Amino acid sequence: KNEVEQSPQNLTAQEGEFITINCSYSVGISALHWLQQHPGGGIVSLFMLSSGKKKHGRLIATINIQEKHSSLHITASHPRDSAVYICAVMRGNKLVFGAGTILRVKS
Amino acid sequence: GAGVSQSPSNKVTEKGKDVELRCDPISGHTALYWYRQSLGQGLEFLIYFQGNSAPDKSGLPSDRFSAERTGGSVSTLTIQRTQQEDSAVYLCASSIGLAYTDTQYFGPGTRLTVL
Repeated sequence: KNEVEQSPQNLTAQEGEFITINCSYSVGISALHWLQQHPGGGIVSLFMLSSGKKKHGRLIATINIQEKHSSLHITASHPRDSAVYICAVMRGNKLVFGAGTILRVKS
Repeated sequence: GAGVSQSPSNKVTEKGKDVELRCDPISGHTALYWYRQSLGQGLEFLIYFQGNSAPDKSGLPSDRFSAERTGGSVSTLTIQRTQQEDSAVYLCASSIGLAYTDTQYFGPGTRLTVL
């Protein structure tokens, strides 16, 4: 079992839909990151969380340390949100990555 | 300002050759990371540099892989005697300071193909 599990692996949504991507991890961590990777490879850091909730525009990230679980929500989804979303946990000095969720938003 | 840059963007080499990949972090960032993303697999950590401290090399897959960071800035990842399984996108990232508190900024990556 991977240390970081994401679900779903693939997600297709209609423009405007509310989207949730989940991340569960099995070990103690110091922080959790949500990353976005567009076709072509560029990776952008969306959030870094150690507790609670963060919001940036249409994106919301939450983390429950006790349950070892985080969610990334996208409100009013748009085709430009189509990308791979990657959860990564900070263990010591290094990031341990989930396999990613491939999101496609159709217009 | 300039982001993290990597060179070359693409590298094709023959099995058994050595390759060097370069990373220029954001100016002033003390932490630098190398990651690898293989086809069909997720990202994996390779090595971490923080200031003048000894690097964390725990993610390097074999002794054919090495990295150095000169003057606390530019970093070079060297792969000796390349193998086909080394084919991947090699990503560099940097952050201002402590790994667990700061956002990491990723470079565009170097796509390595070993024939």
